[in-house]
This record gives sequence, C-alpha cells and structure tokens, in this order.
Amino acid sequence: GIQVEQSPPDLILQEGANSTLRCNFSDSVNNLQWFHQNPWGQLINLFYIPSGTKQNGRLSATTVATERYSLLYISSSQTTDSGVYFCAVRVSGTASKLTFGTGTRLQVTL
Amino acid sequence: DTEVTQTPKHLVMGMTNKKSLKCEQHMGHRAMYWYKQKAKKPPELMFVYSYEKLSINESVPSRFSPECPNSSLLNLHLHALQPEDSALYLCASSQSGTGDSPLHFGNGTRLTVT
Repeated sequence: GIQVEQSPPDLILQEGANSTLRCNFSDSVNNLQWFHQNPWGQLINLFYIPSGTKQNGRLSATTVATERYSLLYISSSQTTDSGVYFCAVRVSGTASKLTFGTGTRLQVTL
Repeated sequence: DTEVTQTPKHLVMGMTNKKSLKCEQHMGHRAMYWYKQKAKKPPELMFVYSYEKLSINESVPSRFSPECPNSSLLNLHLHALQPEDSALYLCASSQSGTGDSPLHFGNGTRLTVT
C-alpha cells in the first residue's frame, strides 16, 4: 500500500514563529487533505488540496503531485495551533479510501 | 462546532456487552466513514458507506458491525470486544460518494473495553 511520511515528527515553536510541515507519499494520488487534531481529539479539515496552492488566514498549503509531496505553512504561530497535523491521501483508482500520514506533533509555547 | 454529531462521547463496556455508536450528519453528504484511532497513531479506516451502501470494509473483525439506516445516520454495533479495541472511534462524512471532496469529522467516541 501507499506510504505517507510526514516530517518533522515533533516540533516545538515559540509563539509568533513560522514553520513548514512536509508530507511525502509513495504513489500517485488524486486527493490530498490536511487536518489539525487538537489536544481534545477533534479533527478539523484545513485544506482539500490535490494540487496547487491555497491560503486560509495564517495557513497555506502547496501540493506538487508530480513530485509526490505537499507542504503546510503556518505563519505567526499561536498556542491554539498546538496539536497534531495530519496529511491524508487517496491513491488514484481507490475510491473513497483516505490514508493518513504519520503526523507532526506541534507544540507552540509562550 | 462540528456538523457531524457522534454519541456517546465516552463509553466503557465489558467484553460481553453489546453497545452501539451513533453518528449523524445533516449536510446532505453522500459518503460516511468509520475510523479507529489508537493513542499517538493516525486514524485508520474501518468502513465506508457510499450512497447508503457499504463500499469498503478494511478487513475489520466481525465483532464490529456497521449499519447505515439512511443517508444521514451511521451506526457501529459492538459485540464481544477485546481490551485492545479500546480507542477513539471517529465518524466522518464527505459530500461526494466517490471521495473527491473534503472529509468532515465528528468529535469521536472514546471507547474503553474492560
């Protein structure tokens, strides 16, 4: 099956800092999504981004499907950004099955 | 606020009990999903219903039995579970029945099997 690796696995930032999270995948995909799981377990969909670049406030994401990676940028980080960030992908030709990456655990400190 | 509602939030059950997890969405989404998440791990797909029909079963043991009574409701019936089944169970929905749309998750049911 497809391998979805995220880096770094853990990240500690001071409030106000910027960061880049990476998602590498081993097969062709036609669906890529980024999620934030807060400390209470709630999973929030941040981006649906099979290709190209999108921005939402302090967050932006870029997917280069031909090179099999996606990046999530967090600018001016806040303590509420803490939690685990997952990318999830769907392999071309596999209907409805999203496979989650290994995750990046982010802690933003004051 | 999540638009996918899961009940109960917490559940403790013995290995001989029968219980059900419930999930509801009123967004008109055509696909609904059950995921299982163990501590410090990513969510793992269990089942997918597309247009109210079971389209994916990820070789889940028969002690987990999904049911989709209508397009808004999804149940997961539990019977004779093992302690290793303790986990966060997440329901999700997507507008497209083929998976080409954003996935929206409920807040999950935290299950403990004693």
